[in-house]
Parts: sequence; structure tokens; C-alpha cells
Amino acid sequence: DSGVTQTPKHLITATGQRVTLRCSPRSGDLSVYWYQQSLDQGLQFLIHYYNGEERAKGNILERFSAQQFPDLHSELNLSSLELGDSALYFCASSVGAAGGPLETQYFGPGTRLLVL
Amino acid sequence: GNSVTQMEGPVTLSEEAFLTINCTYTATGYPSLFWYVQYPGEGLQLLLKATKADDKGSNKGFEATYRKETTSFHLEKGSVQVSDSAVYFCALRGPGGSARQLTFGSGTQLTVLP
Repeated sequence: DSGVTQTPKHLITATGQRVTLRCSPRSGDLSVYWYQQSLDQGLQFLIHYYNGEERAKGNILERFSAQQFPDLHSELNLSSLELGDSALYFCASSVGAAGGPLETQYFGPGTRLLVL
Repeated sequence: GNSVTQMEGPVTLSEEAFLTINCTYTATGYPSLFWYVQYPGEGLQLLLKATKADDKGSNKGFEATYRKETTSFHLEKGSVQVSDSAVYFCALRGPGGSARQLTFGSGTQLTVLP
């Protein structure tokens, strides 16, 4: 158990819908990262938040957005869903933002999204 | 940009066989290198890491050495077990600036048969 929690574990929805994925980082971690794992794209970085502020964006679609709240949990919002958005969405947390040599990202169990 | 190229899978071995999964990378400067493992139905777990050239990361009998001259970080284990069956991901994190996120390879599925 990494200490990172994600809910829900599974999500089935229809095209055009909107969903929210939730992530709680490990106690004391200020950074949250979101990754998408799909069969065709592999594991891709989406977005990074540190202490409530967006720090970096990767291959995140405009239909997707995220935020980190004062209690440090984060939510990933996916809207106007398409079949191709079906994937496993992971969040990871780490202590800081600088990512020094000793810093490790700890991953949650993921949310499996199926868009029908 | 940063990239990781990982040995194509799937790999099937008999128990107690020697394992090598190749990983090479492209990055500017001196990235940190990682191997993550994903067991069926679970999230990613950090297996080992190395943060500078010639460092050797090791854990649970797995080893990988950071080779800057060949830009490689190959994963090895002398004697695999059925319980090692999983998907293995090589990853890097940039050396500084804004590149705090991980860049992953495509993953290698390992199946160990009894």
C-alpha cells in the first residue's frame, strides 16, 4: 500500500458525459501528478500540482482539467468523454516540487475508466 | 525532449532463469532513472532507482546500473520467481527545471512459468 488513495476504482460512463476522479496523496506529500495509461499511448504524464498550484502540463487534452484543494487532495475532471478516453488514470504523490535525487513518486491503485 | 525506449515484450521465462530487460534513454543533462513494476490489477510500485552515472539501484534481487556512456539502465535478476510475473516500466525524470514528471517506456510484460 503506497498510501495514495484514488476513487472510484472503476467508472463506466457514456460518450459525451463528464466524470471526476479523486486522489488523496500520502500524508505530508505536497505534490500530486496525474498520469494516463492506455493501450495505444502507454503511460503519459498529464499534469502536476504542488501545494494547490499547477506546476507542469503534459499531454492533457483541453477537455480535461484538474485542481488541488487546500487539504491537498486533487481531482481530475474529464468532460465530453470520447471512446478513446477509456484508460487507467493514476495519480502519484511526492514530498516536494523540486524533485531532488532522493524524491520518489508514489502511485495510487488507479481509476479504470470505460467510456461506452 | 526526454524519451525512454524499452525492450519489447512479452518475455516468458522459466523459474530460476536469468532476466534482462533492456532500457535506453534520451535526455539532456543527467536524469534520474527508475524501474517501476505493475502487478496484475495494481498500481505502479517503485522497484529501484539511480540518480547519477555508475550508480547501481537494487531491490528484491533486481539490479540496474546507470550507464551514461551507453545511456542505458538495463534491469537484471539472477533467478526469477513466479511471483515476479508483472509489467516492468523503465522511467526517467529530468535533471532540473520544470521536468519533475516521469517519462515512461512502453512497459515489458514478464511471465515466469513454474
